[in-house]
Amino acid sequence: DAGITQSPRHKVTETGTPVTLRCHQTENHRYMYWYRQDPGHGLRLIHYSYGVKDTDKGEVSDGYSVSRSKTEDFLLTLESATSSQTSVYFCAISPTFRSDEQFFGPGTRLTVL
Amino acid sequence: DQQVKQNSPSLSVQEGRISILNCDYTNSMFDYFLWYKKYPAEGPTFLISISSIKDKNEDGRFTVFLNKSAKHLSLHIVPSQPGDSAVYFCAASRPGTYKYIFGTGTRLKVLA
Repeated sequence: DAGITQSPRHKVTETGTPVTLRCHQTENHRYMYWYRQDPGHGLRLIHYSYGVKDTDKGEVSDGYSVSRSKTEDFLLTLESATSSQTSVYFCAISPTFRSDEQFFGPGTRLTVL
Repeated sequence: DQQVKQNSPSLSVQEGRISILNCDYTNSMFDYFLWYKKYPAEGPTFLISISSIKDKNEDGRFTVFLNKSAKHLSLHIVPSQPGDSAVYFCAASRPGTYKYIFGTGTRLKVLA
């Protein structure tokens, strides 16, 4: 399995509070992604990174920001969490442009009350 | 607007029989397609891919068929095994982008 971890694995927070999710990889892959999974929507891309300090928006980026200050870490921040951001969040990594596959982390279940 | 659609939310198949999971897409620019399998409480894992220059790709028990004119792809699992019970996602991407668009998933249950 690719070395990719997510922290925390579960979090419950209140509306209006800031939340940061961390994705850490040991594979030295260039590309990193954040997705959310919701019933009836499948996986939707939030943000992605194609290198250190190089990031871009995905399909559902409103309300989220990301940072990548080093190759191994990709942070997803909810500046002011809302109940609509209750979801399961997955980080993924891939070694090359349009890699044959992305390796996914185990996910973080976030509940915003 | 869902560009990648999996219209069957669930499917049940007897062990040993064929499982056929379907995926439709609307964007003719998509040129690369993947299937992922997901078990509960785990991240998705890559299963098989196909480029638009092909119409079929096989890997063991798994075969993906692509019909570009119909904008349709399907995943065949033969023979189906109880361990194949999972949610299957198809995904598609366009040239010049890092982004994959995922379908909503189909839950496959293989009955022993």
